[in-house]
Amino acid sequence: DVKVTQSSRYLVKRTGEKVFLECVQDMDHENMFWYRQDPGLGLRLIYFSYDVKMKEKGDIPEGYSVSREKKERFSLILESASTNQTSMYLCASSAQPGTEGSSPLHFGNGTRLTVT
Amino acid sequence: AQSVTQLDSQVPVFEEAPVELRCNYSSSVSVYLFWYVQYPNQGLQLLLKYLSGSTLVKGINGFEAEFNKSQTSFHLRKPSVHISDTAEYFCAVSHTGGFKTIFGAGTRLFVKA
Repeated sequence: DVKVTQSSRYLVKRTGEKVFLECVQDMDHENMFWYRQDPGLGLRLIYFSYDVKMKEKGDIPEGYSVSREKKERFSLILESASTNQTSMYLCASSAQPGTEGSSPLHFGNGTRLTVT
Repeated sequence: AQSVTQLDSQVPVFEEAPVELRCNYSSSVSVYLFWYVQYPNQGLQLLLKYLSGSTLVKGINGFEAEFNKSQTSFHLRKPSVHISDTAEYFCAVSHTGGFKTIFGAGTRLFVKA
């Protein structure tokens, strides 16, 4: 089974702090994604990466950046955390290379971030 | 642009009753369709997917869904639910030539004894 591991289940940070959310997958997947989940809004794509050192903006990239230095690891960075970034963050990976959308996503268990 | 609408935010149902969770999508290109389930304090896991071929697809835990191209729908059904089916269910769409998977807002299924 594919395993996607997010380093923290719960995080509490202060406004203005720099926050790192880490995600590791163990199945050599090419594609990795960061979503945020908010009640009533479903999942919204923040950033994704289809190869090492490659990144693309999703639908809500403002206030976030990402890093993918190794194939198995994809980090989400909040440069200066704000209260409106309080949310559940979900990392996912998929196997399909290229621009094919048929491969399902494999999710981690999420990181619930609270910014106070 | 693609979008997904889940028509019910919450669905309460008694154990052993049938259930249907509704999903409509819009897209100008051919789509792939998915249903994911999220149990409390967990990430999402794939229930089933439609890529091509038969419009009736079967998934895990006794769930099935039917792709209806003319009505742009992909409703999820189960003939008899269990307490353990209590979870949030997400309909999602992607398409050829794109990385993005677009999710609906989710439907919370409550199964009551």
